Amino acid sequence: GAVVSQHPSRVICKSGTSVKIECRSLDFQATTMFWYRQFPKQSLMLMATSNEGSKATYEQGVEKDKFLINHASLTLSTLTVTSAHPEDSSFYICSASWGGTEAFFGQGTRLTVV
Amino acid sequence: QQQVKQSPQSLIVQKGGISIINCAYENTAFDYFPWYQQFPGKGPALLIAIRPDVSEKKEGRFTISFNKSAKQFSLHIMDSQPGDSATYFCAASKDNQGGKLIFGQGTELSVKP
Repeated sequence: GAVVSQHPSRVICKSGTSVKIECRSLDFQATTMFWYRQFPKQSLMLMATSNEGSKATYEQGVEKDKFLINHASLTLSTLTVTSAHPEDSSFYICSASWGGTEAFFGQGTRLTVV
Repeated sequence: QQQVKQSPQSLIVQKGGISIINCAYENTAFDYFPWYQQFPGKGPALLIAIRPDVSEKKEGRFTISFNKSAKQFSLHIMDSQPGDSATYFCAASKDNQGGKLIFGQGTELSVKP
């Protein structure tokens, strides 16, 4: 149980375009989902926290107009990187929680902006 | 964000040896301390976790030792195997923040045959 699926696993997009990443909790209802960003050989940095039906809370320094987060249902959250640029290339990882302390991670999405 | 400091950055251990990774935290409000294992190109997977009311927790070859007064905790991997070669992250969170984790910097473990 407690499976979180992220899609796509890899995406390449052209500079200036937008790309959407989906995070789904497959066997539980996720009241809260988290989005992290990870650069090579570095740790996971929390970008934002989203609660179903409400606006996401962004960490300091994260541009909310660039990284649009939607948590429309208890099983789906999406991260849209708008007007992507090469510096947005990174590994994006979501996690989901049903309100307890434990969070379950997706397999990550490798975004490459060319 | 309150920091969680992790060391060493990288670790090389012989097969069958003990791998030890250490973490220290600052915020005494943290009350959940998990360890994650991450393979290249994959998301992190929960290995083992501890709460401050116990000093040690063991699951198979993995043990967490927790020192509340020193605000430190460590992961011990007994009988390390080449398949354990991965990056390990410690993390911390507050119980009332439902899964919001602050991660350490990570330790790249290499277990040599």
